[in-house]
Amino acid sequence: QQQVKQSPQSLIVQKGGISIINCAYENTAFDYFPWYQQFPGKGPALLIAIRPDVSEKKEGRFTISFNKSAKQFSLHIMDSQPGDSATYFCAATIYYQTGANNLFFGTGTRLTVIP
Amino acid sequence: GAGVSQTPSNKVTEKGKYVELRCDPISGHTALYWYRQSLGQGPEFLIYFQGTGAADDSGLPNDRFFAVRPEGSVSTLKIQRTERGDSAVYLCASSLSREDEQFFGPGTRLTVL
Repeated sequence: QQQVKQSPQSLIVQKGGISIINCAYENTAFDYFPWYQQFPGKGPALLIAIRPDVSEKKEGRFTISFNKSAKQFSLHIMDSQPGDSATYFCAATIYYQTGANNLFFGTGTRLTVIP
Repeated sequence: GAGVSQTPSNKVTEKGKYVELRCDPISGHTALYWYRQSLGQGPEFLIYFQGTGAADDSGLPNDRFFAVRPEGSVSTLKIQRTERGDSAVYLCASSLSREDEQFFGPGTRLTVL
């Protein structure tokens, strides 16, 4: 079953606007929530990540908001640029455990920023 | 600097054939992951290596899938008796250690006709 649910499937934003992508999870053992950016023909690249002990993390134009009680987190892209056009994946993992830190990915959001 | 490389970039095969997909991780990275990304979906975990050993293969869909990493560096994902449903992009990722950021390769697009 899908352990991380992501919406919307696609998003079109005007240049300079705010892009918002939402994710929800069920497994309360998850303790690390990264966002990945993927361009066509490339592998996903880590964009920003958050742990559940904070409610927000900001890096440049990218902000993660985290709501532990609702089991939801979101990515906000401020001042969206055409170069941000890509597919974005949220993910979750159980960081502090033995064995793999395999990532559980959402289904992805295709973002298009119109000039 | 050299990132994770995967070969071939594209592989077209016929149903029932055997294929091998190769991953060259970043030098010095001890952890290596294989994921499968179907069209319009996020990557799904297949197998994790720590050094030479497969520490977690719980994501392999069935016994047609097998992976090795004999010297703790290059890894090969092997698929026997391919089926059309195996068509996907197979991604490899490596990290310095289990706790570190995973760096993904560009993937191998497998098409089974």
